[in-house]
Amino acid sequence: DIQMTQSPSTLSASVGDRVNITCRASQSVLTWLAWYQQKPGEAPKFLIYKASTLRGGVPSRFSGSGSGTEFTLTISGLQPDDFATYYCQQYKGQSLTFGGGTKVEIK
Amino acid sequence: QVQLVESGGGVVQPGGSLRLSCAASGFSFGSHGMHWVRQAPGKGLEWVTFIRSDGSEMYYSDSVRGRFTISRDNSRNTLDLQMKSLRPEDTARYHCARDPDGRFTPYYFDNWGPGTLVSVSS
Repeated sequence: DIQMTQSPSTLSASVGDRVNITCRASQSVLTWLAWYQQKPGEAPKFLIYKASTLRGGVPSRFSGSGSGTEFTLTISGLQPDDFATYYCQQYKGQSLTFGGGTKVEIK
Repeated sequence: QVQLVESGGGVVQPGGSLRLSCAASGFSFGSHGMHWVRQAPGKGLEWVTFIRSDGSEMYYSDSVRGRFTISRDNSRNTLDLQMKSLRPEDTARYHCARDPDGRFTPYYFDNWGPGTLVSVSS
């Protein structure tokens, strides 16, 4: 299986900050990568697919980049609603795998 | 709007069985692949299994292959997960999730249900 590693595991930031979350794959997944946001007690919400394509309705302050084995989720101008845990997920093979998650907390 | 509602969770002893169901509405169920994804308490997300839109092919994670069986009924818009030989490490909230396509290989999860809690404990 393809292993996905996210860093950092926890990130402390303030409203208005630009934050970057990194996701690394153990082998190339081309651009077959998605990102999700999860708040406590809620189901995950789908944000981005194909590494950089935003789902309709997702604010433009969210962006994704990368290909191969290294990917980044960027939030430009952190809003109060953005404090949550973020997961990457690869879908290159028949076995899907997630990163361990990055919790974005209030500094 | 897309709605996915899981049911069937509960407490079961190790070695026991449980059947989860997911009722889908608000979209053409038979046009989408479907997944089960689980999350152990305080832990991250783990993909469990996928079934193609027409039910012709299923894929499983190594951790559940041979113990869990995914199935669907496109006439009733329902997705099921039969779980056998349950272990304490299967304790988790189980979410059904829609694949944006699902005619061939699994992709990602564009809609999620709130989940149903399964606890495996003696």
